[in-house]
Amino acid sequence: DVKVTQSSRYLVKRTGEKVFLECVQDMDHENMFWYRQDPGLGLRLIYFSYDVKMKEKGDIPEGYSVSREKKERFSLILESASTNQTSMYLCASSLHEGGMVGELFFGEGSRLTVL
Amino acid sequence: QKEVEQNSGPLSVPEGAIASLNCTYSDRGSQSFFWYRQYSGKSPELIMSIYSNGDKEDGRFTAQLNKASQYVSLLIRDSQPSDSATYLCAVVPGAGSYQLTFGKGTKLSVIP
Repeated sequence: DVKVTQSSRYLVKRTGEKVFLECVQDMDHENMFWYRQDPGLGLRLIYFSYDVKMKEKGDIPEGYSVSREKKERFSLILESASTNQTSMYLCASSLHEGGMVGELFFGEGSRLTVL
Repeated sequence: QKEVEQNSGPLSVPEGAIASLNCTYSDRGSQSFFWYRQYSGKSPELIMSIYSNGDKEDGRFTAQLNKASQYVSLLIRDSQPSDSATYLCAVVPGAGSYQLTFGKGTKLSVIP
């Protein structure tokens, strides 16, 4: 069974803390994505990666960075967490080929609360 | 800014009826189109993909694409209470793009 696993389902952090969200996929997918989902705003792309060590900014990269040292692992980093980063974070992966880029497999999500 | 628009709903249909969900997109060069279903408190899951004009059927689901009108729809036949969820339309803007743009979703309620 294909799987995208996010390291933490629920996190509570304080303003200014550094936060790591990790995501691992076992499908040998080239593409990996980090989205955040907020009520009324939908899914917004933070960063994506189409290959190891490659990264591209999405629509809302400010305040975030990412790391992809291995094909199966994509990490999202909040250098200094702020209350407006309280959200549901979703990791996803997909194949590289043609339209399958858009056939995303999502992890279960990480709900981050910043106090 | 590439946009994908959906009616937020809620859309309520009686059990056994056809539910019709609609989506428009702004980028005329868009190549690939997807419908995701998201149950409350869960992650989105892919239910349909469509790449060429016309209809694509999979069980009770039919996706319809009209590139000239920049319109994609999802029909759910014989709707069941278990179909109650938010349906997200998503578009890959063009060839060579990796970035999927999502609509904000339509909430569907199927009334027993």
